Amino acid sequence: AQKITQTQPGMFVQEKEAVTLDCTYDTSDPSYGLFWYKQPSSGEMIFLIYQGSYDQQNATEGRYSLNFQKARKSANLVISASQLGDSAMYFCAMRENRDDKIIFGKGTRLHILP
Amino acid sequence: ETGVTQSPTHLIKTRGQQVTLRCSSQSGHNTVSWYQQALGQGPQFIFQYYREEENGRGNFPPRFSGLQFPNYSSELNVNALELDDSALYLCASSLDRERVKNIQYFGAGTRLSVL
Repeated sequence: AQKITQTQPGMFVQEKEAVTLDCTYDTSDPSYGLFWYKQPSSGEMIFLIYQGSYDQQNATEGRYSLNFQKARKSANLVISASQLGDSAMYFCAMRENRDDKIIFGKGTRLHILP
Repeated sequence: ETGVTQSPTHLIKTRGQQVTLRCSSQSGHNTVSWYQQALGQGPQFIFQYYREEENGRGNFPPRFSGLQFPNYSSELNVNALELDDSALYLCASSLDRERVKNIQYFGAGTRLSVL
């Protein structure tokens, strides 16, 4: 069963607008971490933001915030005031505490339009 | 910059050959994980090494093997290359596998083409 689902294969957003990238996950482990990574065309996976399953508040890192809805098993990434440099693939990922590997979704390709 | 470096950046091999990919972890990181990313897909976990021992393995055959050295650098070896092994291979290092918040920092990858 797929554990990370990203339903948006591609998105086009106007520069300076906010954008939400969707991610749902599935796990029976009560302790887990959720991650978002950005992958530009160069290939390097860049860590953006982390949310722990027991964290009381939604994570924020600069222009990135994570809309964590635990009951819905949803961990959407919100990018405020998008920039041309935000154009890239974005991956949602999860690590269960009983495991060491990170499981990735299939990604969303984000295009920021000038 | 994550401090994780991989070499080579690109590699072309023929079917049946063997290949070794290398990774230098971020300073102080004792855990390294390897991932295979096929075109248009998310990365798939191959295996992880912690303090020079294999710590977990994904659904990859034994012809995928690895090493971690005392300085925490790492190698991924693939024997008997197949066409489907063509992919971007990513190495990721992390500070401490025991921590709940175990952020993995990735290198830029090695793009392997098998002809």
